[in-house]
This record gives sequence, structure tokens and C-alpha cells, in this order.
Amino acid sequence: AQSVTQLDSQVPVFEEAPVELRCNYSSSVSVYLFWYVQYPNQGLQLLLKYLSGSTLVESINGFEAEFNKSQTSFHLRKPSVHISDTAEYFCAVSDPYGGSQGNLIFGKGTKLSVKP
Amino acid sequence: DTGVSQNPRHKITKRGQNVTFRCDPISEHNRLYWYRQTLGQGPEFLTYFQNEAQLEKSRLLSDRFSAERPKGSFSTLEIQRTEQGDSAMYLCASSLAPGTGDGYTFGSGTRLTVV
Repeated sequence: AQSVTQLDSQVPVFEEAPVELRCNYSSSVSVYLFWYVQYPNQGLQLLLKYLSGSTLVESINGFEAEFNKSQTSFHLRKPSVHISDTAEYFCAVSDPYGGSQGNLIFGKGTKLSVKP
Repeated sequence: DTGVSQNPRHKITKRGQNVTFRCDPISEHNRLYWYRQTLGQGPEFLTYFQNEAQLEKSRLLSDRFSAERPKGSFSTLEIQRTEQGDSAMYLCASSLAPGTGDGYTFGSGTRLTVV
């Protein structure tokens, strides 16, 4: 079965500093990869996704993630964070052709805390 | 379409009572999912529907839990004889069929507190 590991449960960072949130998944078969963001007391919002093609994917608010098949990783990065980026970030994997019927499997999340 | 809607947003109940949550998915989405999220954890899969058919249930879904999607539109999740360990955020999501890579659209969740 698929699994997702987010190595850091909390990441504190100062405003305008770069940040990387790490994500590794268990399988090397073809998968779809996602990052979701959750603000306090809200549901999850899709931040970006990798389906195929270019291994670098970007979101509209400056985040990017790079798919690395050999390392089974999908780390999320931002070169300069804002206070408003404070939230919890979840990495998720979907195996659309596998036994899980394409259901999303989530990591435990990383809490990003941006300090002024 | 305003996205995935969940009601109520919050529910406080006494141990042993039954509770029911409702989820209204995006109308053209034929898949509907229920997840549970506890503090410090990512969302954990409970069950999903393809139209009105419930196709998979997690081991987390004990016999006190039941979910329905009677007409392939909205869904309900009922918990009978609630226990304190049921306290969590219950998330509903919907999507198109697998393989499209669209990901899920989540509702804002129902936070259950069992006292």
C-alpha cells in the first residue's frame, strides 16, 4: 500500500526567508502527487499537483514542487515566505491504476509557522 | 456551484448519543469521500462512493459508523453510540473518476466533540 512521509512536523521560518517542506512516498510506480494547504478551522485546499510531464510544478502564490522519481520525493519550496503562508501543508499521493482505486493517501502534515 | 458543503460545522454531543453529518458534493463529481482528521495527523480515509455505490471502507470504520449516498448526490455519515475517541474533524471531499488527476475538492469539515 502507498504511504507518504513528511519528515518535519513543524517548520518555523522568518518572513522573506526560503522554505522547503519535505515529502517522500513509498512507491515507484506511476502516481499522481499533490500538496494541499489547510488554514486554521478550514478544509484542505489544493495547492499544486504533479500528474506527468515537467517535473517542476508551480502554484499561483509562489510555491513550487519538484517530482523526483529516483528519490520518490515531491518536496515543496518557496523562495520567500509571507506571514499569510502560515498554515499546515499536506502531501498526498494517488495511484490511479492500483488497488486503492485512486484514493488519496495523505502524510501527517507539516505546520509552517512564519514569524515576522 | 459553491463547492463541497458540510453541515453542521461543529457538533458537541454526549458520549453514547448518535450523530449524523451531511455532505453535499460538487454536482458533477461522481465520487464522494469521507476522511477523519485528528490532531497531529493527516486526513485518514474512511470510505468512498462512486455515485450511490459504497465501494470501499477502511478498517477505521467500525460497525458504529455508517455512510449513505442514496441518490448519488449528497451523503450522510452517522456515528452511533459515540465515544470520546470519535472526537475529530470529519472531512468530505468529491472528485471526478480516478485517473483524471483532478485531486479532490474538500469541504470545510464537521468538527465533532464527544464529551
